[in-house]
Amino acid sequence: DTGVSQDPRHKITKRGQNVTFRCDPISEHNRLYWYRQTLGQGPEFLTYFQNEAQLEKSRLLSDRFSAERPKGSFSTLEIQRTEQGDSAMYLCASSGRGFTGELFFGEGSRLTVL
Amino acid sequence: AQRVTQPEKLLSVFKGAPVELKCNYSYSGSPELFWYVQYSRQRLQLLLRHISRESIKGFTADLNKGETSFHLKKPFAQEEDSAMYYCALTSYGKLTFGQGTILTVHP
Repeated sequence: DTGVSQDPRHKITKRGQNVTFRCDPISEHNRLYWYRQTLGQGPEFLTYFQNEAQLEKSRLLSDRFSAERPKGSFSTLEIQRTEQGDSAMYLCASSGRGFTGELFFGEGSRLTVL
Repeated sequence: AQRVTQPEKLLSVFKGAPVELKCNYSYSGSPELFWYVQYSRQRLQLLLRHISRESIKGFTADLNKGETSFHLKKPFAQEEDSAMYYCALTSYGKLTFGQGTILTVHP
């Protein structure tokens, strides 16, 4: 197990297109998180899952964003009708049972919207 | 609402000098505070947590509830400490991060 993996690592798209990111967490971890990071800012919480249940979604997340974790393993984050303001690094993280505050992060998926 | 503030975006010190990265928080309950670090070309990772009260790579951090602070300290900085440091707190099963401080340790 090489840790949390994200795909693609980089995505360049035109405004208005849809994009999807995938995250594969550490296999025994039941919690999965999505964060967004823009230049000069810390990671900003988007949403998280415990197994397949989406437990919280940030109020900052517009309706164009949707995340799924259908079988409680990998997760996808889809952004519809992308805007230039969506350009950011999208980070996925996972943690094991009994949240201790230690998140294991992936390398991130960088989105550039032209 | 919970909030984490790191007032310094950049911090530069020379090797062997003491270093302190500041973190202040606002949280209505009893907080759990953490420091995360991201070295160049590496993933964001946990450095230390306040409940452990341990020293990691020579770094320590004390939770001061009166001043709502959780500053990260190291008495003698090393070049390999150069990295981005994030302070974070937990609430309702998730982490809230500060904006981060870039630490540069010069030889």
